Amino acid sequence: DQQVKQNSPSLSVQEGRISILNCDYTNSMFDYFLWYKKYPAEGPTFLISISSIKDKNEDGRFTVFLNKSAKHLSLHIVPSQPGDSAVYFCAASAMSTGNQFYFGTGTSLTVIP
Amino acid sequence: DTGVSQDPRHKITKRGQNVTFRCDPISEHNRLYWYRQTLGQGPEFLTYFQNEAQLEKSRLLSDRFSAERPKGSFSTLEIQRTEQGDSAMYLCASSLGNRDPLFGQGTRLTVV
Repeated sequence: DQQVKQNSPSLSVQEGRISILNCDYTNSMFDYFLWYKKYPAEGPTFLISISSIKDKNEDGRFTVFLNKSAKHLSLHIVPSQPGDSAVYFCAASAMSTGNQFYFGTGTSLTVIP
Repeated sequence: DTGVSQDPRHKITKRGQNVTFRCDPISEHNRLYWYRQTLGQGPEFLTYFQNEAQLEKSRLLSDRFSAERPKGSFSTLEIQRTEQGDSAMYLCASSLGNRDPLFGQGTRLTVV
């Protein structure tokens, strides 16, 4: 069963605009969430994380929002740049009870120049 | 370069052969993870070490798979009697404590 879901396989955005990538999870024990970016034939690159004690975390152009009641998180990229074109994965973990991170299936972002 | 290093980057093997992959984590990281990724899927957890102790194994890790992390440094993942279904990207990640694992470049395995 897929505990972390990314329901949009792909997203296209114009350069300079906002990209919003969404992620839903089902396990209420998850309390730590991460976003990774992946280029073809490379390993995932860590972008940003958020603990469930927060509802927002920001790092430069990247902001992650967490809505615990809806079991939903989103990654905002502002402004989007062509180099942001990649597959984005969200991941979640129950830090107090487990050690593995569960990943979604990814969203392929294309930023159009 | 102080990132996670994986070797080899690519491996083509015949069905039934054994293969071994190596991962060198970031030196101060005490946790090391192995994940597998197939086309169109996210990374799937295989196993995890804290220092030299293998603390968790996924049910995906059949008895043909074995992982070691001697002395809590580098790790190896061995697949015996490879099958075509083993073709995937094998990813290693390391972390300090249980936060923000950093991944290596991966080893692409193709079983023919």
